[in-house]
Amino acid sequence: EPEVTQTPSHQVTQMGQEVILRCVPISNHLYFYWYRQILGQKVEFLVSFYNNEISEKSEIFDDQFSVERPDGSNFTLKIRSTKLEDSAMYFCASRDSSSGNTIYFGEGSWLTVV
Amino acid sequence: QKEVEQNSGPLSVPEGAIASLNCTYSDRGSQSFFWYRQYSGKSPELIMSIYSNGDKEDGRFTAQLNKASQYVSLLIRDSQPSDSATYLCAVNHPGGYNKLIFGAGTRLAVHP
Repeated sequence: EPEVTQTPSHQVTQMGQEVILRCVPISNHLYFYWYRQILGQKVEFLVSFYNNEISEKSEIFDDQFSVERPDGSNFTLKIRSTKLEDSAMYFCASRDSSSGNTIYFGEGSWLTVV
Repeated sequence: QKEVEQNSGPLSVPEGAIASLNCTYSDRGSQSFFWYRQYSGKSPELIMSIYSNGDKEDGRFTAQLNKASQYVSLLIRDSQPSDSATYLCAVNHPGGYNKLIFGAGTRLAVHP
């Protein structure tokens, strides 16, 4: 069964460093998302991406965050200068129009900022 | 801010019993409703989706939707210890690109 894959599964970084989280969405999907979940809290929407541009972003997704689809398969989230409060699990997700509105999640990348 | 509300639990049920999980949402324009299961430290896993009022059954799971009451529920029949997890209710935000708004989740504990 096709799945969304994410790397790395866990990354520890120092405050102020740049981090890139990588995702390979399901191959025929057209809509891509990043969500995050701070430990013990709810899953929060960060950004959606369609047709090679951001379609919607939350107030969390400030200038420190960016997304990119550098080729036909990868979808990346970059955090330019990490803060302690960026420590969270980051989930990539994707969907296509034929699956209705069903969004499929990757296994997540656990980011720890120290 | 559009919200999705769930009782945080924990909901404790004995093995073999029916577990009933509830969710309310605030945006009347929402059209798609989802239940995800999340084990600790893992990603959300889709259990059920429901789009129309009424019941939808899939194996031991039944989702119920009442748009007039802005209420969606999940019933798990013959609960198993492996069902112990956090169940997340998610509602699409209408318009745009169908981002999901999640509730905080209900922890379910099924004890033998």
